[in-house]
Amino acid sequence: QKEVEQDPGPLSVPEGAIVSLNCTYSNSAFQYFMWYRQYSRKGPELLMYTYSSGNKEDGRFTAQVDKSSKYISLFIRDSQPSDSATYLCAMGRTSGSRLTFGEGTQLTVNP
Amino acid sequence: EAQVTQNPRYLITVTGKKLTVTCSQNMNHEYMSWYRQDPGLGLRQIYYSMNVEVTDKGDVPEGYKVSRKEKRNFPLILESPSPNQTSLYFCASSPRTDLSGANVLTFGAGSRLTVL
Repeated sequence: QKEVEQDPGPLSVPEGAIVSLNCTYSNSAFQYFMWYRQYSRKGPELLMYTYSSGNKEDGRFTAQVDKSSKYISLFIRDSQPSDSATYLCAMGRTSGSRLTFGEGTQLTVNP
Repeated sequence: EAQVTQNPRYLITVTGKKLTVTCSQNMNHEYMSWYRQDPGLGLRQIYYSMNVEVTDKGDVPEGYKVSRKEKRNFPLILESPSPNQTSLYFCASSPRTDLSGANVLTFGAGSRLTVL
């Protein structure tokens, strides 16, 4: 069983929709959680970072972490065609040099 | 511009022919790492380096070698490539060896390798 599970999609939504992307994990040692965005033919880039449980908002993006359920989410409000990308969740322990990535969810926002 | 540069971006080779994928960062980062990305498996770490002359295995090190003789460079070496090493490879770097939160990984643009 993978430590981090993420539905690969693909997910296709109309412009303006609210998008919900999710990951589940099995390792209770994970303490910090990230979302990376990867455009086609590019490397991943950090989108959101959250430490422990709770919510974090940045513009149209909201990251949620529920450690009791081992479940993290990324919400995109008023989605735009420029949001079309693959979104990867990543997580790690309190300190250390290893991140575990999800498989990535491919999102397409249609104009 | 602060960046991680990988070369080549695309490569087709044959089984057994040694190849090197170069990686260079201009941000004076301590930590560097190689990942491979495969459909259904996501990003998996191959090797990482905490500093010059300090390297360690990641999750899938078999068939790969690395070296870190200079802080800015971290080449990935495939001594005898096989078809199962056909993949998209990413090099990444971070200011510090502790990746908890603030020390963000910066990725290169990727190198697509095909081994026939």
